[in-house]
Amino acid sequence: SQTIHQWPATLVQPVGSPLSLECTVEGTSNPNLYWYRQAAGRGLQLLFYSVGIGQISSEVPQNLSASRPQDRQFILSSKKLLLSDSGFYLCAWRTGAPNPQYFGPGTRLTVT
Amino acid sequence: AQKVTQAQTEISVVEKEDVTLDCVYETRDTTYYLFWYKQPPSGELVFLIRRNSFDEQNEISGRYSWNFQKSTSSFNFTITASQVVDSAVYFCALRRSNFGNEKLTFGTGTRLTIIP
Repeated sequence: SQTIHQWPATLVQPVGSPLSLECTVEGTSNPNLYWYRQAAGRGLQLLFYSVGIGQISSEVPQNLSASRPQDRQFILSSKKLLLSDSGFYLCAWRTGAPNPQYFGPGTRLTVT
Repeated sequence: AQKVTQAQTEISVVEKEDVTLDCVYETRDTTYYLFWYKQPPSGELVFLIRRNSFDEQNEISGRYSWNFQKSTSSFNFTITASQVVDSAVYFCALRRSNFGNEKLTFGTGTRLTIIP
């Protein structure tokens, strides 16, 4: 069966510091991968998605970037965090056009 | 443009009552997919159901049922005999069906609290 991992689970970082969040999927090949952000008390916003290694599509211009160095690994990064980057970051995967996206456990980021 | 509206921000019901969560969507596409997800306090989104736009048959899964009405652009979710474990935020979502379109448009969610 497929499993999706995210780490760290929680993170507190000062403004201006770098960020690296990692997501890995097990039990499937060539998945589509996604990064979402959920601000406190709000809905989900798609940040990036990837349909293959090295292929990244950005939905919203912002202080973040994403990379996919391996088939089942998706990384969210920032060179300098802003207060507005605080939120709950969710990674998701999908295979097959009609299939739903399946989400990981999330990373709660607080920028101080 | 696509849009999903969940007008009920918060709902509280007493345990064992039935509750319906509303979802209204907007799209110009003739084919699309609709989804419901549950977000318990732990934060992880749990997939509940997918519905294709060409399949208007209602679905029942245990205490959960879904009523899809294309004529009113609604995809409502009913929990029968609610339980405390049903307390969560529920999201309705919409995705276009054409290949290469990856964006899942979410509603703002409905926070459901089941009172013991």
